[in-house]
Amino acid sequence: NAGVTQTPKFQVLKTGQSMTLQCAQDMNHNSMYWYRQDPGMGLRLIYYSASEGTTDKGEVPNGYNVSRLNKREFSLRLESAAPSQTSVYFCASSNHIALGDFNSNQPQHFGDGTRLSIL
Amino acid sequence: KQEVTQIPAALSVPEGENLVLNCSFTDSAIYNLQWFRQDPGKGLTSLLLIQSSQREQTSGRLNASLDKSSGRSTLYIAASQPGDSATYLCAVMDSSYKLIFGSGTRLLVRP
Repeated sequence: NAGVTQTPKFQVLKTGQSMTLQCAQDMNHNSMYWYRQDPGMGLRLIYYSASEGTTDKGEVPNGYNVSRLNKREFSLRLESAAPSQTSVYFCASSNHIALGDFNSNQPQHFGDGTRLSIL
Repeated sequence: KQEVTQIPAALSVPEGENLVLNCSFTDSAIYNLQWFRQDPGKGLTSLLLIQSSQREQTSGRLNASLDKSSGRSTLYIAASQPGDSATYLCAVMDSSYKLIFGSGTRLLVRP
């Protein structure tokens, strides 16, 4: 029962390099999220996918792209890494509420994070 | 813009003490409020979720309350244990169904 799995766990990049962070969930959730967490701060939403086939920008989307490959997988891509993108990246999943059905809110389940350093 | 604040930023208590963590938010138009626990080097674990229509939720030694009108929530931990040492994060789901997080309270329970 893996839950949310992120790969890789650690990565060091040089400025200008590109890479893709992978995320997969096995809970049949319809919504998936990417966050970044910087020291002393809470999590900030980068992108999310409310359902398969849709993606939307969060609070800090600049410099990132995402792909909802299928219901299980949601990847985050850095096209040209910058030192400001050094952070810990978390993927999460949940069952999104049905419009107007607030009582179907479910907590988000998080992966263990990817620690990314950009030199 | 919704902002979530957690006070204190850090807390150290002796084992067995009851304690309260505070969370405040600026916009009362929320769908729910969630409390999470984060252990060092790990992801977040959901502890309690309070729907906007509810006033409190309980799970074991944890009790979370929500006062939407005043923009406040508290997480009460009874009879604290060293295993409770972690960072506790509060998050609100805003009107666009996004989670907005506070910066957390680092809790250390001393044996």
